[in-house]
Amino acid sequence: DIQMTQSPSALSASVGDRVTITCRASQSIGSWLAWYQQNPGKAPKLLIYKASSLESGVPSRFSGSGSGTEFTLTISSLQPDDFGRYYCQQYNDYPWTFGQGTRVE
Amino acid sequence: QVQLVESGGGLVKPGGSLRLSCAASGFTFSDYYMSWIRQAPGKGLEWVSYISSSGSTIYYADSVKGRFTISRDNAKNSLYLQMNSLRAEDTAVYYCARGGGTTLDPWGQGTLVTVSS
Repeated sequence: DIQMTQSPSALSASVGDRVTITCRASQSIGSWLAWYQQNPGKAPKLLIYKASSLESGVPSRFSGSGSGTEFTLTISSLQPDDFGRYYCQQYNDYPWTFGQGTRVE
Repeated sequence: QVQLVESGGGLVKPGGSLRLSCAASGFTFSDYYMSWIRQAPGKGLEWVSYISSSGSTIYYADSVKGRFTISRDNAKNSLYLQMNSLRAEDTAVYYCARGGGTTLDPWGQGTLVTVSS
Protein backbone atom coordinates (compact mmCIF):
# COMPACT_ATOMS: atom_id res chain seq x y z
CA ASP A 1 0.00 0.00 0.00
CA ILE A 2 1.13 3.57 -0.62
CA GLN A 3 1.76 5.40 2.63
CA MET A 4 0.88 9.09 2.84
CA THR A 5 2.58 11.19 5.50
CA GLN A 6 1.51 14.73 6.30
CA SER A 7 3.45 17.36 8.19
CA PRO A 8 2.92 18.98 10.50
CA SER A 9 0.26 17.01 12.39
CA ALA A 10 -1.04 20.27 13.81
CA LEU A 11 -0.27 23.94 13.48
CA SER A 12 -1.36 27.07 15.18
CA ALA A 13 -2.13 30.06 12.95
CA SER A 14 -4.05 33.31 12.93
CA VAL A 15 -6.43 34.88 10.48
CA GLY A 16 -4.42 36.34 7.62
CA ASP A 17 -1.48 33.94 8.00
CA ARG A 18 -0.01 31.99 5.12
CA VAL A 19 -0.28 28.28 5.89
CA THR A 20 1.59 25.43 4.21
CA ILE A 21 0.94 21.71 4.68
CA THR A 22 3.16 19.02 3.19
CA CYS A 23 2.19 15.53 2.09
CA ARG A 24 4.72 12.85 1.14
CA ALA A 25 3.97 9.58 -0.63
CA SER A 26 5.96 6.41 -0.03
CA GLN A 27 6.29 5.96 -3.79
CA SER A 28 5.65 8.07 -6.84
CA ILE A 29 1.98 8.83 -7.48
CA GLY A 30 2.44 11.24 -10.36
CA SER A 31 -0.08 14.02 -9.83
CA TRP A 32 -2.83 11.77 -8.54
CA LEU A 33 -3.30 13.59 -5.28
CA ALA A 34 -6.29 15.31 -3.72
CA TRP A 35 -6.69 17.58 -0.71
CA TYR A 36 -9.78 17.63 1.50
CA GLN A 37 -10.92 19.95 4.26
CA GLN A 38 -12.92 18.65 7.21
CA ASN A 39 -14.51 21.04 9.65
CA PRO A 40 -15.58 19.71 13.08
CA GLY A 41 -18.62 17.46 12.88
CA LYS A 42 -18.77 17.74 9.10
CA ALA A 43 -17.97 15.55 6.14
CA PRO A 44 -14.76 16.13 4.21
CA LYS A 45 -14.92 18.51 1.27
CA LEU A 46 -12.76 18.31 -1.85
CA LEU A 47 -10.47 21.30 -2.31
CA ILE A 48 -7.79 20.30 -4.81
CA TYR A 49 -7.50 17.45 -7.29
CA LYS A 50 -4.72 16.28 -9.57
CA ALA A 51 -2.29 17.93 -7.17
CA SER A 52 -2.91 21.51 -8.29
CA SER A 53 -6.39 21.84 -9.80
CA LEU A 54 -8.82 23.89 -7.74
CA GLU A 55 -12.24 22.32 -7.31
CA SER A 56 -15.10 24.49 -8.54
CA GLY A 57 -16.37 26.86 -5.86
CA VAL A 58 -13.26 26.61 -3.70
CA PRO A 59 -11.71 30.01 -2.86
CA SER A 60 -8.58 30.93 -4.77
CA ARG A 61 -6.61 31.36 -1.55
CA PHE A 62 -6.21 27.58 -1.64
CA SER A 63 -3.54 26.19 -3.94
CA GLY A 64 -1.74 22.91 -4.41
CA SER A 65 1.56 21.95 -5.93
CA GLY A 66 3.93 19.06 -6.34
CA SER A 67 4.28 15.77 -8.17
CA GLY A 68 5.88 12.40 -7.65
CA THR A 69 6.24 11.99 -3.92
CA GLU A 70 6.08 15.48 -2.45
CA PHE A 71 3.08 17.76 -2.41
CA THR A 72 2.02 21.00 -0.76
CA LEU A 73 -1.26 22.65 0.13
CA THR A 74 -1.05 26.39 0.69
CA ILE A 75 -3.62 28.75 2.13
CA SER A 76 -2.46 32.21 1.17
CA SER A 77 -4.42 34.14 3.79
CA LEU A 78 -6.14 32.06 6.45
CA GLN A 79 -9.81 32.87 7.00
CA PRO A 80 -12.05 31.95 9.96
CA ASP A 81 -13.79 29.18 7.94
CA ASP A 82 -10.43 27.55 7.23
CA PHE A 83 -9.79 26.26 10.75
CA GLY A 84 -10.21 22.51 10.78
CA ARG A 85 -8.42 19.42 9.55
CA TYR A 86 -6.86 18.81 6.15
CA TYR A 87 -6.18 15.45 4.51
CA CYS A 88 -4.25 14.46 1.42
CA GLN A 89 -5.32 11.36 -0.51
CA GLN A 90 -3.61 9.45 -3.28
CA TYR A 91 -5.66 7.91 -6.06
CA ASN A 92 -2.80 6.52 -8.11
CA ASP A 93 -3.35 2.96 -6.94
CA TYR A 94 -5.73 0.92 -4.82
CA PRO A 95 -6.16 0.87 -1.95
CA TRP A 96 -6.61 4.61 -1.93
CA THR A 97 -4.88 6.00 1.12
CA PHE A 98 -5.10 9.20 3.11
CA GLY A 99 -2.59 11.12 5.13
CA GLN A 100 -3.15 11.17 8.86
CA GLY A 101 -4.42 14.74 8.71
CA THR A 102 -3.20 18.18 9.72
CA ARG A 103 -5.16 20.17 12.26
CA VAL A 104 -5.15 23.92 11.69
CA GLU A 105 -6.04 25.68 14.92
CA GLN B 1 -28.21 19.91 -5.86
CA VAL B 2 -26.12 16.80 -5.40
CA GLN B 3 -27.00 15.09 -2.15
CA LEU B 4 -25.96 11.86 -0.45
CA VAL B 5 -27.77 10.68 2.65
CA GLU B 6 -26.53 7.68 4.64
CA SER B 7 -28.66 5.62 6.98
CA GLY B 8 -28.59 2.31 8.80
CA GLY B 9 -25.93 2.95 11.41
CA GLY B 10 -26.35 2.00 15.05
CA LEU B 11 -25.11 -0.12 17.91
CA VAL B 12 -24.30 -3.74 17.16
CA LYS B 13 -22.57 -6.49 19.12
CA PRO B 14 -19.24 -7.95 17.99
CA GLY B 15 -19.87 -10.60 15.37
CA GLY B 16 -23.11 -8.97 14.35
CA SER B 17 -24.25 -7.52 11.04
CA LEU B 18 -25.48 -4.20 9.76
CA ARG B 19 -26.52 -2.85 6.38
CA LEU B 20 -25.82 0.74 5.50
CA SER B 21 -27.65 2.61 2.77
CA CYS B 22 -26.83 5.76 0.87
CA ALA B 23 -29.58 7.57 -1.02
CA ALA B 24 -28.34 9.72 -3.89
CA SER B 25 -30.10 12.62 -5.57
CA GLY B 26 -29.32 15.56 -7.82
CA PHE B 27 -27.20 13.66 -10.34
CA THR B 28 -27.37 10.67 -12.66
CA PHE B 29 -26.42 8.01 -10.14
CA SER B 30 -25.89 5.29 -12.73
CA ASP B 31 -23.11 7.32 -14.38
CA TYR B 32 -20.84 7.40 -11.34
CA TYR B 33 -18.56 5.18 -9.35
CA MET B 34 -19.39 5.26 -5.63
CA SER B 35 -17.34 4.65 -2.51
CA TRP B 36 -17.56 4.08 1.21
CA ILE B 37 -15.03 5.69 3.54
CA ARG B 38 -14.91 5.48 7.32
CA GLN B 39 -13.51 7.50 10.16
CA ALA B 40 -12.97 6.02 13.61
CA PRO B 41 -13.72 8.40 16.50
CA GLY B 42 -11.01 11.06 16.66
CA LYS B 43 -9.04 9.37 13.89
CA GLY B 44 -8.27 9.89 10.21
CA LEU B 45 -9.99 8.68 7.07
CA GLU B 46 -9.88 5.13 5.76
CA TRP B 47 -11.19 4.20 2.32
CA VAL B 48 -13.32 1.04 2.62
CA SER B 49 -14.69 0.07 -0.78
CA TYR B 50 -15.67 1.26 -4.21
CA ILE B 51 -18.06 0.04 -6.89
CA SER B 52 -18.11 0.97 -10.55
CA SER B 53 -21.12 2.59 -12.17
CA SER B 54 -22.48 -0.73 -13.46
CA GLY B 55 -21.43 -2.68 -10.40
CA SER B 56 -19.10 -4.86 -12.41
CA THR B 57 -15.91 -3.71 -10.68
CA ILE B 58 -15.50 -3.70 -6.92
CA TYR B 59 -12.54 -3.11 -4.62
CA TYR B 60 -12.22 -3.53 -0.86
CA ALA B 61 -9.66 -2.51 1.69
CA ASP B 62 -7.87 -5.53 3.16
CA SER B 63 -9.29 -4.67 6.58
CA VAL B 64 -12.85 -5.44 5.45
CA LYS B 65 -12.33 -7.93 2.61
CA GLY B 66 -14.44 -11.05 3.10
CA ARG B 67 -16.66 -9.37 5.70
CA PHE B 68 -18.15 -6.37 3.90
CA THR B 69 -20.07 -6.33 0.61
CA ILE B 70 -20.73 -3.22 -1.43
CA SER B 71 -23.64 -3.10 -3.85
CA ARG B 72 -25.84 -0.64 -5.66
CA ASP B 73 -29.31 -0.37 -7.13
CA ASN B 74 -29.21 2.13 -9.97
CA ALA B 75 -33.00 2.02 -10.35
CA LYS B 76 -33.32 3.20 -6.75
CA ASN B 77 -30.34 5.59 -6.82
CA SER B 78 -28.97 3.78 -3.83
CA LEU B 79 -25.65 2.44 -2.58
CA TYR B 80 -25.31 -0.20 0.11
CA LEU B 81 -22.71 -1.67 2.43
CA GLN B 82 -23.48 -5.02 4.02
CA MET B 83 -21.23 -5.45 7.05
CA ASN B 84 -20.88 -8.90 8.62
CA SER B 85 -18.69 -10.28 11.40
CA LEU B 86 -18.32 -6.81 12.84
CA ARG B 87 -15.43 -6.05 15.18
CA ALA B 88 -14.78 -3.32 17.69
CA GLU B 89 -12.28 -1.79 15.28
CA ASP B 90 -15.07 -1.29 12.73
CA THR B 91 -16.55 1.39 15.00
CA ALA B 92 -16.58 4.56 12.91
CA VAL B 93 -18.60 7.12 11.05
CA TYR B 94 -19.23 5.67 7.61
CA TYR B 95 -19.46 8.09 4.70
CA CYS B 96 -20.60 7.41 1.19
CA ALA B 97 -19.08 9.54 -1.52
CA ARG B 98 -19.46 9.96 -5.24
CA GLY B 99 -16.37 8.74 -7.00
CA GLY B 100 -14.17 5.72 -7.15
CA GLY B 101 -12.01 6.18 -10.19
CA THR B 102 -10.58 9.49 -9.14
CA THR B 103 -11.53 11.88 -6.37
CA LEU B 104 -14.36 11.68 -3.85
CA ASP B 105 -16.91 14.46 -4.12
CA PRO B 106 -19.27 15.12 -2.56
CA TRP B 107 -19.56 13.15 0.67
CA GLY B 108 -22.68 12.40 2.66
CA GLN B 109 -23.04 13.49 6.27
CA GLY B 110 -22.11 10.04 7.56
CA THR B 111 -23.73 7.42 9.75
CA LEU B 112 -22.21 6.15 13.00
CA VAL B 113 -21.61 2.45 13.51
CA THR B 114 -20.71 1.37 17.03
CA VAL B 115 -19.59 -2.20 17.64
CA SER B 116 -19.71 -2.98 21.34
CA SER B 117 -21.03 -5.59 23.71
